[in-house]
Amino acid sequence: DQQVKQNSPSLSVQEGRISILNCDYTNSMFDYFLWYKKYPAEGPTFLISISSIKDKNEDGRFTVFLNKSAKHLSLHIVPSQPGDSAVYFCAASVNAGGTSYGKLTFGQGTILTVHP
Amino acid sequence: NAGVMQNPRHLVRRRGQEARLRCSPMKGHSHVYWYRQLPEEGLKFMVYLQKENIIDESGMPKERFSAEFPKEGPSILRIQQVVRGDSAAYFCASSPGFGNQPQHFGDGTRLSIL
Repeated sequence: DQQVKQNSPSLSVQEGRISILNCDYTNSMFDYFLWYKKYPAEGPTFLISISSIKDKNEDGRFTVFLNKSAKHLSLHIVPSQPGDSAVYFCAASVNAGGTSYGKLTFGQGTILTVHP
Repeated sequence: NAGVMQNPRHLVRRRGQEARLRCSPMKGHSHVYWYRQLPEEGLKFMVYLQKENIIDESGMPKERFSAEFPKEGPSILRIQQVVRGDSAAYFCASSPGFGNQPQHFGDGTRLSIL
């Protein structure tokens, strides 16, 4: 039962352009969403998160958008840089009373390649 | 990924042996999570622990796998009588356990079964 899905296994963009990574979820109980970046032989690195009470969160070049009605979130990277090339995972969790403890459910990942 | 320390980084075991994976959370974090990543897949939740307590072990295989987070020392993921299918990357994450704070991950232990 894949509750979090990243339907694009890979994405290739030109340096300076926008990268848009997508993620869909099925569990309506999820209320906290995160994006992680992962390089080979390293652990996931936290990028940005969003609570379900918001529809947008921005941090520098990274913006996450949440569409609760469509159960869809996306990560925008502008401008894209070659160093952004990595595997990107979206993840979701169910909070209890606003406290974000609890297991993360991950998507399968999208390989982003940014060409110089 | 500074902060969450996992060791060893690589572990090779023969079928039937035991594997012990260690995780020290970030300073100030009292919540520890273990995830497993099989080749070509995303990370799958295994177990969530606080000091001396298992909070959620819904992702742990029923047999051969156990986890602990003692009052003193690191969290340990133990796999008894390993089989080839246990070959994977095992990641530990920690969080402070309050507020909307993300989990932070270690660099993982790559377990290979001969």
